[in-house]
Amino acid sequence: GAVVSQHPSWVICKSGTSVKIECRSLDFQATTMFWYRQFPKQSLMLMATSNEGSKATYEQGVEKDKFLINHASLTLSTLTVTSAHPEDSSFYICSASPEETQYFGPGTRLLVL
Amino acid sequence: AQKITQTQPGMFVQEKEAVTLDCTYDTSDQSYGLFWYKQPSSGEMIFLIYQGSYDEQNATEGRYSLNFQKARKSANLVISASQLGDSAMYFCAMREGEDSSYKLIFGSGTRLLVRP
Repeated sequence: GAVVSQHPSWVICKSGTSVKIECRSLDFQATTMFWYRQFPKQSLMLMATSNEGSKATYEQGVEKDKFLINHASLTLSTLTVTSAHPEDSSFYICSASPEETQYFGPGTRLLVL
Repeated sequence: AQKITQTQPGMFVQEKEAVTLDCTYDTSDQSYGLFWYKQPSSGEMIFLIYQGSYDEQNATEGRYSLNFQKARKSANLVISASQLGDSAMYFCAMREGEDSSYKLIFGSGTRLLVRP
């Protein structure tokens, strides 16, 4: 299957700092990438759809100023959690599709102290 | 109404036996896709199997098969010859439409534990 990488895999930061997470499609180009959030023992919740060269589409209830998404190239999308707070601590995971199947990155665990 | 329903929060299976994980879906689209993913404790989402709404044959991938019953709107995952490494969370997901840029809707998941 296709390979999607994500960096970093772990982040621990202080409250009030911003954290950037990168999602890369390694062996295919992706005009669209997806960002999900997952709380412990829960399912994946779609946060936003990242569109190369245009603005991201955010799901209802997701603050676009809090979670900044930039899809600057066909292989890279970034999610920046701005002014992170403890309630932003979660597992963030991205995905992309070379064909009909979505492949996921390994995820990023964020802990805000 | 929920789009994807997984009614089994947890399942046990004996090693080497087969197990079926249930998934029902709700859509008015004629064209859609159904997926199963495995999530081990490490957190990564591993793609297992895909079924398109127009596929007449049930999808199979090694020990995984998808029991697709379109009229009943069910897409159950069958794992044959269970292995200890199959212990994980399993998520059913649906994409409405043909375009791969469409988002996935996930079920609540089923935790499978394989007993030695």
